[in-house]
Amino acid sequence: GAGVSQSPSNKVTEKGKDVELRCDPISGHTALYWYRQSLGQGLEFLIYFQGNSAPDKSGLPSDRFSAERTGGSVSTLTIQRTQQEDSAVYLCASSPSGGVDTQYFGPGTRLTVL
Amino acid sequence: QQPVQSPQAVILREGEDAVINCSSSKALYSVHWYRQKHGEAPVFLMILLKGGEQKGHEKISASFNEKKQQSSLYLTASQLSYSGTYFCGTVYSGGSNYKLTFGKGTLLTVNP
Repeated sequence: GAGVSQSPSNKVTEKGKDVELRCDPISGHTALYWYRQSLGQGLEFLIYFQGNSAPDKSGLPSDRFSAERTGGSVSTLTIQRTQQEDSAVYLCASSPSGGVDTQYFGPGTRLTVL
Repeated sequence: QQPVQSPQAVILREGEDAVINCSSSKALYSVHWYRQKHGEAPVFLMILLKGGEQKGHEKISASFNEKKQQSSLYLTASQLSYSGTYFCGTVYSGGSNYKLTFGKGTLLTVNP
């Protein structure tokens, strides 16, 4: 079946612009995660959605970052007024039920802020 | 705090064995292992749970020492396809059971 998809695969933007990154999870997966991966670093947790519960936003680095998940499926990560330090690969993952469960990752969006 | 992985990098010849370690300063509930090839998404390998339960691939083995808060991933008779960066992700006891904190990764290169 189809895996997790993300778009765009690459995004180059100018400092100060807003960007939107999209994630389509595996159909039927109730849990969705966003991570950030900077060069040479591990994956940094950003936000977690589970069903209709309030998301866990504890990993968002600043109030410039926000995310939503519409209809329990597609998610959008928005970064406002981008800064150069926001440059990274943004990875989305989904899992069947959340909790201690296998996470299936998408290919990521490489964001470059000039 | 991130778990600490060691070694940072290892180079093997095909057929050799390797051990990758993951250590935490906090009590662990579970340890998750993923492999990421360059430019690709991380791929699940294994979950080890407090109490000894494991879920994962048949050809990869791992251990979880709850007392030492450590996990080790054992790669035996390595193949070229094993090359990639291995990440451990930890779930801390008493924390949210979905929140993984990942180490910086171990780069494994398998040469012919």
